[in-house]
Amino acid sequence: QVQLQESGPGLVKPSGTLSLTCSVSGGSVDSYYWSWIREPAGEGLEWIGRIYSSGSTNYNPSLESRVTMSVDTSKNQVSLNLTSATTADTAVYYCARGRKRSGDYFDYWGQGALVTVSS
Amino acid sequence: DFVMTQTPLSLSVTPGQPASISCKSGQSLLHSDGKTYLYWYLQKPGQPPQLLIYEVSKRFSGVPDRFSGSGSGTDFTLKISRVEAEDVGVYYCMQSTHLPPITFGQGTRLEIK
Repeated sequence: QVQLQESGPGLVKPSGTLSLTCSVSGGSVDSYYWSWIREPAGEGLEWIGRIYSSGSTNYNPSLESRVTMSVDTSKNQVSLNLTSATTADTAVYYCARGRKRSGDYFDYWGQGALVTVSS
Repeated sequence: DFVMTQTPLSLSVTPGQPASISCKSGQSLLHSDGKTYLYWYLQKPGQPPQLLIYEVSKRFSGVPDRFSGSGSGTDFTLKISRVEAEDVGVYYCMQSTHLPPITFGQGTRLEIK
């Protein structure tokens, strides 16, 4: 059974960098797309972007200037960095496994990590 | 942008009764490869979303057959033939025809009467 676990600081200062890691167990990061999705409290889901195991990326244009994703196949992990954080970035952040280059969808999700941006 | 609009935003349903959720996109979700990449997820309380329906009408592994999806172009519907208590949560439609970005509807909250 594939399992995803998000980890990282739960508190980030405004203007700081939000950094999260998704550790994959029970399967490999190879040959899959790995997305980050966030959910602000009381709001809906927002796709941040995705990275393929080769390192190629697609980002949400609304966040592209602040987002960087990376993959470490040796550690079976993917990572998210979001710079210049503001209170609007406070949310639960999920990593999810994607299956397809075109028409991607998510079959496995992590439990989510709450990140609060506050001084 | 590829806005997804769900209606209603909330539903209160008696167990055993049907339920229906609409999802409309700003542009056709028919991909150049001939497929339509419209998906439905259910987020149960305290859990991440789980996939129910893929490519408009195909049930994901383990999803009960009381869930069905239909539609084409810009108009899509998720139907639950007989609502059960375990169906409570927030339902989201999602498009990935026009990625990036992948976009979700606002969500429809289903509660049991």
